[in-house]
Amino acid sequence: QQQVKQSPQSLIVQKGGISIINCAYENTAFDYFPWYQQFPGKGPALLIAIRPDVSEKKEGRFTISFNKSAKQFSLHIMDSQPGDSATYFCAASAPFSGGYNKLIFGAGTRLAVHP
Amino acid sequence: NAGVTQTPKFQVLKTGQSMTLQCAQDMNHNSMYWYRQDPGMGLRLIYYSASEGTTDKGEVPNGYNVSRLNKREFSLRLESAAPSQTSVYFCASRTGTSYNSPLHFGNGTRLTVT
Repeated sequence: QQQVKQSPQSLIVQKGGISIINCAYENTAFDYFPWYQQFPGKGPALLIAIRPDVSEKKEGRFTISFNKSAKQFSLHIMDSQPGDSATYFCAASAPFSGGYNKLIFGAGTRLAVHP
Repeated sequence: NAGVTQTPKFQVLKTGQSMTLQCAQDMNHNSMYWYRQDPGMGLRLIYYSASEGTTDKGEVPNGYNVSRLNKREFSLRLESAAPSQTSVYFCASRTGTSYNSPLHFGNGTRLTVT
């Protein structure tokens, strides 16, 4: 119920290509879906996020597509660049006890963009 | 701005030893968190502090204790380290606890328990 399943584990894309990372969830109480980007040796940082009342959100080359009925969401990176090489985590937020919103992370996808 | 600072960056412990991981943030954030990151398992919440003076268990609290020393500092203690606690530990903070308040992470502490 609390899991967020992320695929693939790793992804290799050529420069200029499209990177696609998928996530799925079961818990319908999830109400916010952020993506975090992590470079080697660094902590994750918020990249982009979406609420379930919209089907798509775009920020520059990064787009989240959201399918509420299928309980799936995905990150698309257009015109992928070597600088995009990082680990990407999807996450889902749900109300928890004491007013705290709990964030559940997927297992992560290691993206390598080859020149 | 330093953001979230974690010390130490690396640590090797022997089974049964104890240690404290330190975390400080200079963003005046109310809530702070400790996560562990293991290959293939993403980030799992160990403990969190929604505000100064409060702490609560997360998903994987066993073997750990925390102290919210003041608004800036949140430490994680391993009383008797075990090999299963080998991991990368991340401290994070955010302004509040609402759904759209982004987490700000430190750069992690890589802990090896032999």
